[in-house]
Amino acid sequence: QLQLQESGPGLVKPSGTLSLTCTVSGVSIASSTYYWGWLRQPPGKGLQLIGLIYYSGRTSENPSLKRRLAMSVDTSQNQFSLRLTSVTAADTAVYYCAYMGPYVASFSSWGQGILVTVSS
Amino acid sequence: QSALTQPPSASGSLGQSVTLSCTGTSSDFGDYNYVSWYQQHPGKAPKLIIYEVTKRPSGVPDRFSGSKSGNRASLTVSGLQAEDDADYYCSSLAGNKDLVFGGGTKLTVL
Repeated sequence: QLQLQESGPGLVKPSGTLSLTCTVSGVSIASSTYYWGWLRQPPGKGLQLIGLIYYSGRTSENPSLKRRLAMSVDTSQNQFSLRLTSVTAADTAVYYCAYMGPYVASFSSWGQGILVTVSS
Repeated sequence: QSALTQPPSASGSLGQSVTLSCTGTSSDFGDYNYVSWYQQHPGKAPKLIIYEVTKRPSGVPDRFSGSKSGNRASLTVSGLQAEDDADYYCSSLAGNKDLVFGGGTKLTVL
């Protein structure tokens, strides 16, 4: 059974870098033919797609975040990661990693989410 | 501001039916039929309940049904149960291949 688990600091200082890792179990990222994604949800607000990454490392970023965003995949560890630079309070959110498959443009499996607060 | 528009709240009584709407522009829906719906309970991750406008993943009750007409997608929940009390989000693959979300509807079961 596919499971995803986010990990990383829950508190980041303004202007700092937010770094998260998603550990996948039950499915090999390297053998998956679908995208893996990062999404976020500010407190009390809706969902926002941050970006997608393929096992090959090919990425698709939300244009509004692209300048500050880097995503990577480590197939040997069955993980993929997110780095968001120059964070502000507006980046405070619950961050989710998710699996965009086997249905097109739909996330069928999600991590539990991790709250990241940007504050000094 | 979300690309897709959803009413912030909706309600229905136990056993009744309720339809939630998700509207956008023709660009938001593109020429695709890739509209999805997610259910989210407080403090939990979203759960996919509808994909490709009308299809249900395994395990999702057939009380949930989806449809789309023009630039409006809809989710109907029939025979409302207490556990349907949740937030519901729509998403769509837009014409520019971006994945856009609605702002969500809080469904209250009375």
